[in-house]
Amino acid sequence: NAGVTQTPKFRILKIGQSMTLQCTQDMNHNYMYWYRQDPGMGLKLIYYSVGAGITDKGEVPNGYNVSRSTTEDFPLRLELAAPSQTSVYFCASSTGTGVAYNEQFFGPGTRLTVL
Amino acid sequence: AQKVTQAQTEISVVEKEDVTLDCVYETRDTTYYLFWYKQPPSGELVFLIRRNSFDEQNEISGRYSWNFQKSTSSFNFTITASQVVDSAVYFCALSGLEYGNKLVFGAGTILRVKS
Repeated sequence: NAGVTQTPKFRILKIGQSMTLQCTQDMNHNYMYWYRQDPGMGLKLIYYSVGAGITDKGEVPNGYNVSRSTTEDFPLRLELAAPSQTSVYFCASSTGTGVAYNEQFFGPGTRLTVL
Repeated sequence: AQKVTQAQTEISVVEKEDVTLDCVYETRDTTYYLFWYKQPPSGELVFLIRRNSFDEQNEISGRYSWNFQKSTSSFNFTITASQVVDSAVYFCALSGLEYGNKLVFGAGTILRVKS
C-alpha cells in the first residue's frame, strides 16, 4: 500500500492564480481531511469528508474548495491564491465509524508559496 | 472551547537524557480522545498513540511512555534515554464531540537531541 499520496510536493504560485492539490489514498478509508500547517501554529483543519459525495468545512475553509467523487481521491482547490495561503498542506485519511476513534494517516505534505 | 496547549516551544537535550513533553487540554466533553503525533525533519506526520478519556492507565512502548491525568487535564509524553533520531516536532491532539469529533492540534514542541 502506498498509503496517502499528495502531489505536488512543492509549488510556487503568483497572487490570483489557481491550483489543485491532489490527494489519493489506497486504504479504502471513508474519512479524508485537509489541513494546513503554519509555522509554530500546529495543524488546522480546512475541509473534511466522511465519504464520497459528502464534504464539510473545518476551522479555516475560506479560500478553498473540495470535492469527493470517489473514495480514493480528495482534491483541494485554491481559486484565487493569496499570500496568506502560503503554508504546508497535509492530506489525511482514517477509517471507522467516527473520527474521534481512529488514527489519521497523513500524506507527505505539499509546500505552497504564494508570491 | 476545545483547546490543546503545548507550552514548550522547543527543548534541547543531550543524547541519553530523559525528556518530557507537556500537553494540557481543555474540553467540555466527558468522552474524548487524545493523540500524539511525531513529525520528523522529513515532514510527514507519524501516529504514536491514542488514548480515550476513560483509560487513565499509563502506557509504555519501548523508550516512550505516556502519563494521562484527568485531574490536571494533562497527557504528557516522556522519552527515556533520548536518541538523535528522536529529534522531531511532536504534536498533541484532542478529539471530542464539542468540535464535531474532529482533531484539534497543539502548536507542537520541537525536540532537538544532540549527540
